[in-house]
Amino acid sequence: GAGVSQSPSNKVTEKGKDVELRCDPISGHTALYWYRQRLGQGLEFLIYFQGNSAPDKSGLPSDRFSAERTGESVSTLTIQRTQQEDSAVYLCASSFAGQPQHFGDGTRLSIL
Amino acid sequence: SQQGEEDPQALSIQEGENATMNCSYKTSINNLQWYRQNSGRGLVHLILIRSNEREKHSGRLRVTLDTSKKSSSLLITASRAADTASYFCATGRGGATNKLIFGTGTLLAVQP
Repeated sequence: GAGVSQSPSNKVTEKGKDVELRCDPISGHTALYWYRQRLGQGLEFLIYFQGNSAPDKSGLPSDRFSAERTGESVSTLTIQRTQQEDSAVYLCASSFAGQPQHFGDGTRLSIL
Repeated sequence: SQQGEEDPQALSIQEGENATMNCSYKTSINNLQWYRQNSGRGLVHLILIRSNEREKHSGRLRVTLDTSKKSSSLLITASRAADTASYFCATGRGGATNKLIFGTGTLLAVQP
């Protein structure tokens, strides 16, 4: 596609529910990143995928967070047993071989 | 934790004036990038400067990097109302990963 696509754009759910966020990267981009952005804050790195290499999960805040990516295509970020502090915008970015990252518009997650 | 700290946190200027934003960081870097984020949108890459460069220009943007002081500045000349956005610096260590660490951002408001 023309850019990084994320879905849903908005998600409201109750505390304790699981949520799944999706990211479609730019075709041909080997690297994919997930970030979390709390209101009025900068971006917190969550996880990074590069081709078939083991992902860098060093930014995941707890074992309730997990992510998968199939090859160089779609990625899903899953948050289990959501808590109110998980409320944030979750941004996905993709890039090719160390080039600047291209971002999607994010998923705005609200936990009631 | 955030590597970069932007200064000021918020800046309000009149159309036609110049806007200067600063970024400080803590560890050694391979490159430093500036991104822009319009409200409710993802980040857009503006400019990348490598650690062996001191200054770079792109259109109305001028970026400087002082590795001895671990700081960078972004100058936007002849600002326009459409430049209203948040601006983030991000530091990278290079390589195929080039995982970025983002600062906390400067919110720029350009009054028409």
